[in-house]
Amino acid sequence: DIQMTQSPSSLSASVGDRVTITCQASQDISNYLNWYQQKPGKAPKLLIYDALNVETGVPSRFSGSGSGTDFTFTVSSLQPEDIATYYCQQYDNLPLTFGGGTKVEIK
Amino acid sequence: EVQLLESGGGLVQPGGSLRLSCAASGFTFSSYAMSWVRQAPGKGLEWVSTISGSDGSAYFADSVKGRFTISRDNSKNTLFLQMNSLRAEDTAVYYCAKLVGHYYLDPFDYWGQGTLVTVSS
Repeated sequence: DIQMTQSPSSLSASVGDRVTITCQASQDISNYLNWYQQKPGKAPKLLIYDALNVETGVPSRFSGSGSGTDFTFTVSSLQPEDIATYYCQQYDNLPLTFGGGTKVEIK
Repeated sequence: EVQLLESGGGLVQPGGSLRLSCAASGFTFSSYAMSWVRQAPGKGLEWVSTISGSDGSAYFADSVKGRFTISRDNSKNTLFLQMNSLRAEDTAVYYCAKLVGHYYLDPFDYWGQGTLVTVSS
């Protein structure tokens, strides 16, 4: 199975801050990497697919980069509505696996 | 507008069975692969099963293989998850998710609101 190691597990930042989350795959997954946002009590929402493509309707402050084993998710200017847990997920091979999540809070 | 509405969750004793349903609307259901993803209380996301949109091939996580069955009724736009021999560790919110295409290795672009399954005596 491909292990997805996400860090940090939680972070606290101020409104307007740049926030970066990393995700490392245990083997090369090319660009088969997605990022999801899950707000408390809600279902996950796809933000980024294929490592760097922003899903339609997602604000441009969200971005992704990376390939192979190392990936980065960035919020360029954190907003109050971005309070959520963010998950990376690989779809290079079964079983599909998710990172452990990063809980983002406002300082 | 794509909508996915899960139902069928509830409290079941260890060793029992439960059948989850996911009613889909707003897209051509038969053309897309569909999945179940679960989330134990306070924990992260775990993929459970996927059924392709092309030939109905099914795939399962090792943790549920042999106990869970996934199926779909394309005439009723409904996805199912039959869960047998349930264990306490199966306790979770179960989400129905649509994949972006018919292939079983694709991102999940839409999710339902989830249905809670609690396995306890």
